[in-house]
Amino acid sequence: ETGVTQTPRHLVMGMTNKKSLKCEQHLGHNAMYWYKQSAKKPLELMFVYNFKEQTENNSVPSRFSPECPNSSHLFLHLHTLQPEDSALYLCASSQVEMWPYGYTFGSGTRLTVV
Amino acid sequence: KNEVEQSPQNLTAQEGEFITINCSYSVGISALHWLQQHPGGGIVSLFMLSSGKKKHGRLIATINIQEKHSSLHITASHPRDSAVYICAVLMDSNYQLIWGAGTKLIIKP
Repeated sequence: ETGVTQTPRHLVMGMTNKKSLKCEQHLGHNAMYWYKQSAKKPLELMFVYNFKEQTENNSVPSRFSPECPNSSHLFLHLHTLQPEDSALYLCASSQVEMWPYGYTFGSGTRLTVV
Repeated sequence: KNEVEQSPQNLTAQEGEFITINCSYSVGISALHWLQQHPGGGIVSLFMLSSGKKKHGRLIATINIQEKHSSLHITASHPRDSAVYICAVLMDSNYQLIWGAGTKLIIKP
């Protein structure tokens, strides 16, 4: 365990479903990130939260909706997804003051949209 | 063209072989990061370096800033080294990470 926990590990959902991905970190970090990893492509940064405030949204479609209720928890709410959204979704956290050291990833959620 | 290119994309080798994975980049950087992703999905940091060479166990990372190139070497490779190795660079202009697409390494017993 890296200290960043993601649930569920696997998720299969229909295009009309609504689901949420959860990320929790116990490292005392103050920044959290959502990444999308598609096959044979570089990681794509989706959202960044520093001190619970969203500081970056890299042109992500509105069917992905992040939520950061506190510095330890991060959610990604999903609705009306498309099959091309199938990917590994990775959460990471870091301590802003120590950037880029201590950048820690979770194990990811493997999402399949059918 | 990606700003960070890794080669090869896939590499299969026999146990014990010396492995080299390359990373080239086209932007100004302040540091380069090598990470390892196991089949389960989790990503672990291996090295962060900005010059010269770093060694940890059987892993060696080198960087040539002038040539904008880094290599990750694995000596006496073992099947447990099978993973995807990812290079990421920290841009010196805005401290953003730019990621390579990864090199999938399989070590056969």
